[in-house]
Amino acid sequence: DAGITQSPRHKVTETGTPVTLRCHQTENHRYMYWYRQDPGHGLRLIHYSYGVKDTDKGEVSDGYSVSRSKTEDFLLTLESATSSQTSVYFCATKKTGLAGGPYNEQFFGPGTRLTVL
Amino acid sequence: EDKVVQSPLSLVVHEGDTVTLNCSYEVTNFRSLLWYKQEKKAPTFLFMLTSSGIEKKSGRLSSILDKKELFSILNITATQTGDSAVYLCAASPSYGANSKLTFGKGITLSVRP
Repeated sequence: DAGITQSPRHKVTETGTPVTLRCHQTENHRYMYWYRQDPGHGLRLIHYSYGVKDTDKGEVSDGYSVSRSKTEDFLLTLESATSSQTSVYFCATKKTGLAGGPYNEQFFGPGTRLTVL
Repeated sequence: EDKVVQSPLSLVVHEGDTVTLNCSYEVTNFRSLLWYKQEKKAPTFLFMLTSSGIEKKSGRLSSILDKKELFSILNITATQTGDSAVYLCAASPSYGANSKLTFGKGITLSVRP
């Protein structure tokens, strides 16, 4: 795996509070991703990053923001958490190929279970 | 919109059985098809297929891609209880800075002793 850690691993919070999840990788992979996984929906992409300070939206980005100030860290922020954001959140990374483009295998972190009451 | 559909959604077999898991895809500028295994934790990478008709094998698991019919199968022979997991497939478009995976919903495999 790509030495990916996520923190916290579990969090319970209340509706309306801000929440930040952290993804940290030690492999110097260029590409990083945030997914959420819900029953009946599989893995859905929230946001991704293709380099420091370069980020873009995925298919379920509403209510989430991200930041990447250095290669190893990718932060996901819920500005005002809602119950619909209760989910398991996975971070993933992907390395860059020799020609500068990415390989396609993504490596996943252990996940964060977030409950919004 | 890119789409990946897996079938069946769930499957129960007995140890020693052989199972076939299906994955069909519709992805613009398709490049590769990936299989992951997910137990009660993060998905772990199994295979990536980019060429049609070439089987990839790892122990009792094998997978093949058909780019003409737009599907892939994952076979598991002589199943064991440790094969119980959710199996995810994902399709990826051509390489590029914004290349992203589209995942199917997963197939839940239960292997009974």
